[in-house]
Amino acid sequence: EPEVTQTPSHQVTQMGQEVILRCVPISNHLYFYWYRQILGQKVEFLVSFYNNEISEKSEIFDDQFSVERPDGSNFTLKIRSTKLEDSAMYFCASNGRGLGISYEQYFGPGTRLTVT
Amino acid sequence: GEDVEQSLFLSVREGDSSVINCTYTDSSSTYLYWYKQEPGAGLQLLTYIFSNMDMKQDQRLTVLLNKKDKHLSLRIADTQTGDSAIYFCAERRGSGGGADGLTFGKGTHLIIQP
Repeated sequence: EPEVTQTPSHQVTQMGQEVILRCVPISNHLYFYWYRQILGQKVEFLVSFYNNEISEKSEIFDDQFSVERPDGSNFTLKIRSTKLEDSAMYFCASNGRGLGISYEQYFGPGTRLTVT
Repeated sequence: GEDVEQSLFLSVREGDSSVINCTYTDSSSTYLYWYKQEPGAGLQLLTYIFSNMDMKQDQRLTVLLNKKDKHLSLRIADTQTGDSAIYFCAERRGSGGGADGLTFGKGTHLIIQP
């Protein structure tokens, strides 16, 4: 069964460094998302992406964050200058099989980001 | 603004039914979801319900929606040890477009007693 994949599973970085988290959404899905979950807290929406542009973003998604679909399969989240409070599990999700709107969002296994 | 609330823990005996409850605040929510997260794993979509429905059944899972009270529940019949996980309730943000993100609750830890 097709699934969303994410790499790496765990990323450790130093404060101030740039990180890129990578996701491969389910093939032929049209809508892509990033969420994060700080340890012990809720899963929080960051951004949605459709037709090569951001559709919606939350107040968390500030200028330090950016997303890109560099090719036909990858979807990336970049954090320009990481802060300690960026430490969290980051989930990628996708939906929209082919034409029309699908309401089933499928999540990847997550990347655990640790900022030291 | 949107907010989703759940109890943090639920303990049930193996073989009994589990009922996980959730309340939400956004009356314009079009879809509501239940996700399951096992230790060290991602979020697995269990089921979802459209806001014009009262109930949805899928094998051992029954979702009940009370739109008036903004209350959603997930019933798991014949609970097994493999059902032990965190269960997240989520509502669809926005007006129902394809790019709408989800707003999650904190999750309910389902603990199964032998």
